[in-house]
Amino acid sequence: DTAVSQTPKYLVTQMGNDKSIKCEQNLGHDTMYWYKQDSKKFLKIMFSYNNKELIINETVPNRFSPKSPDKAHLNLHINSLELGDSAVYFCASSPGQGAGEDTQYFGPGTRLTVL
Amino acid sequence: RKEVEQDPGPFNVPEGATVAFNCTYSNSASQSFFWYRQDCRKEPKLLMSVYSSGNEDGRFTAQLNRASQYISLLIRDSKLSDSATYLCVVNPDAGGTSYGKLTFGQGTILTVHP
Repeated sequence: DTAVSQTPKYLVTQMGNDKSIKCEQNLGHDTMYWYKQDSKKFLKIMFSYNNKELIINETVPNRFSPKSPDKAHLNLHINSLELGDSAVYFCASSPGQGAGEDTQYFGPGTRLTVL
Repeated sequence: RKEVEQDPGPFNVPEGATVAFNCTYSNSASQSFFWYRQDCRKEPKLLMSVYSSGNEDGRFTAQLNRASQYISLLIRDSKLSDSATYLCVVNPDAGGTSYGKLTFGQGTILTVHP
């Protein structure tokens, strides 16, 4: 199937742990993104990469570190997890650089719960 | 003021009803506008782009009023399957420096009942 996929779908972990979420797209897109959707349902962009280069880095704690080994993959590593990190994390990709009407396609989300 | 503001609803309508959602945005330089749909516990999916001239896709009509910084979505002949959260989305800049910083509204919840 052509899609944006994320693993894991659910992640439950203790405060202070380090965890990673993986994202892959087989759509041949140049740009990938990470979004966070909090309990109030606001979706906010965290990072984006274009052809493995970081182009958006919003005000996110430096405990969050994205890594793009190639343009089809964008992983998110989170150090020292905190309760406030509990949210749904969505990966997305788009064919272009994100300008104008470049459509973003979202993965199914990773529901992170920090206890 | 929030960058993109929507009435969160919920809107509860019977099948066959016509329902309209509104959205305002604060950045007057914004260039591209969209409606996304998000089903419960699923990812957002693009419903349609919004153009100044207004555009229609089947039962869905989107309008943009740049002067008022206002976007609308009209759904005619509502179906049960239209039940979802509708997200108003703005891309602040259509130029090469836009980099896809989509700004999402909180979403408007729609429930269509039999």
